[in-house]
Amino acid sequence: EVQLVESGGGLVQPGRSMKLSCAASGFTFSSFPMAWVRQAPTKGLEWVATISTSGGSTYYRDSVKGRFTISRDNAKSTLYLQMNSLRSEDTATYYCTREGGGYGFSFDYWGQGVMVTVSS
Amino acid sequence: DIQMTQSPPVLSASVGDRVTLSCKASQNINKNLDWYQQKHGEAPKLLIYYTNNLQTGIPSRFSGSGSGTDYTLTISSLQPEDVATYYCYQYNSGPWTFGGGTKLELK
Repeated sequence: EVQLVESGGGLVQPGRSMKLSCAASGFTFSSFPMAWVRQAPTKGLEWVATISTSGGSTYYRDSVKGRFTISRDNAKSTLYLQMNSLRSEDTATYYCTREGGGYGFSFDYWGQGVMVTVSS
Repeated sequence: DIQMTQSPPVLSASVGDRVTLSCKASQNINKNLDWYQQKHGEAPKLLIYYTNNLQTGIPSRFSGSGSGTDYTLTISSLQPEDVATYYCYQYNSGPWTFGGGTKLELK
């Protein structure tokens, strides 16, 4: 059974950093691109970042480029999101997703989500 | 960026109704579109990929269609468990973008 379990969220002050982790199991982690998708309270979904299978290619939305870093450790089957210079608008539930559905671009498995609150 | 506009924002329908949700892209997305269902308090779930392909395990009452800039999700006979918010999502060109969602309620 595919499982994605996020951790590392919580309350953080503006300008500070936080690192999210996503432990994957039930599939060959190194064979799938992975992504983070977020959802601000009562708002819609927003793609944040994607990483290739090897980690050699990464893609970000403009609003997080230069502040967030997506990475992976295939030996540990773990995905990460390092978030620096956090802003109030980064407050959201962050979902770890597998980009393996359909023809390879769809998010076919999602974690339960981890809440990040940026506030003083 | 490609803007995805979903309509209506809220839809009320009765059990057994045929329901149609719309998604319009600001430019041609070449059928590179998915539909996701999100029930209250849960993570989203992939329903339809590449416009009209049903994800494994999804009931056949769900179907998708469209081309160019206009896409549709249809539920042939609404069931109580279909109450949720539905999002379209394009991956034709970056940044990948979701629509604002359609909240489906029971009348």
